[in-house]
Amino acid sequence: GNSVTQMEGPVTLSEEAFLTINCTYTATGYPSLFWYVQYPGEGLQLLLKATKADDKGSNKGFEATYRKETTSFHLEKGSVQVSDSAVYFCALRGAQAGTALIFGKGTTLSVSS
Amino acid sequence: SQTIHQWPATLVQPVGSPLSLECTVEGTSNPNLYWYRQAAGRGLQLLFYSVGIGQISSEVPQNLSASRPQDRQFILSSKKLLLSDSGFYLCAWSRGGTGKYEQYFGPGTRLTVT
Repeated sequence: GNSVTQMEGPVTLSEEAFLTINCTYTATGYPSLFWYVQYPGEGLQLLLKATKADDKGSNKGFEATYRKETTSFHLEKGSVQVSDSAVYFCALRGAQAGTALIFGKGTTLSVSS
Repeated sequence: SQTIHQWPATLVQPVGSPLSLECTVEGTSNPNLYWYRQAAGRGLQLLFYSVGIGQISSEVPQNLSASRPQDRQFILSSKKLLLSDSGFYLCAWSRGGTGKYEQYFGPGTRLTVT
């Protein structure tokens, strides 16, 4: 079945450091891939998405490229800010009707000034 | 634009008491609806999803149930809460149909069972 594996956290960085959070997936066919962010005490917000191979999703300085050959969708940001501290979830969705998202376990990012 | 509401925002209930959490979506028709639970320090667990009124699929056997009495209303219930039901409950919606659509989440309900 479909699954998502993302790197264990927590990830602790200083402000302006480079961020990479790894995400790999297992799926049949061509799923859509997503990154969600959850700030403390809140629901999940869609950060970016990619729907086909080689697509690059980007938002708020974050980027992720859909790599079919390596089945990966790593999240990157060139210069993190304290306000980026949150939990980040990688997720995929297949093409079947009503198919829910399959989430990774989440990676906690903590950025200090 | 579409919005999703959940209430209550927080809830403290004793073991053995009933539960009813409500989720409503505005600004869209025929959405797919989902209930997730997030236990402390863990990822999201899909509990139920629905592709239409009265159509509920259960992902995890448990003492919870879900209902969809109206197109944009999704309710999570329990007759008798367990300690293990504590967690953060998230409702989500996506466009209906067969597309690989993203999901949009509500603000969540923090449930503590004592």
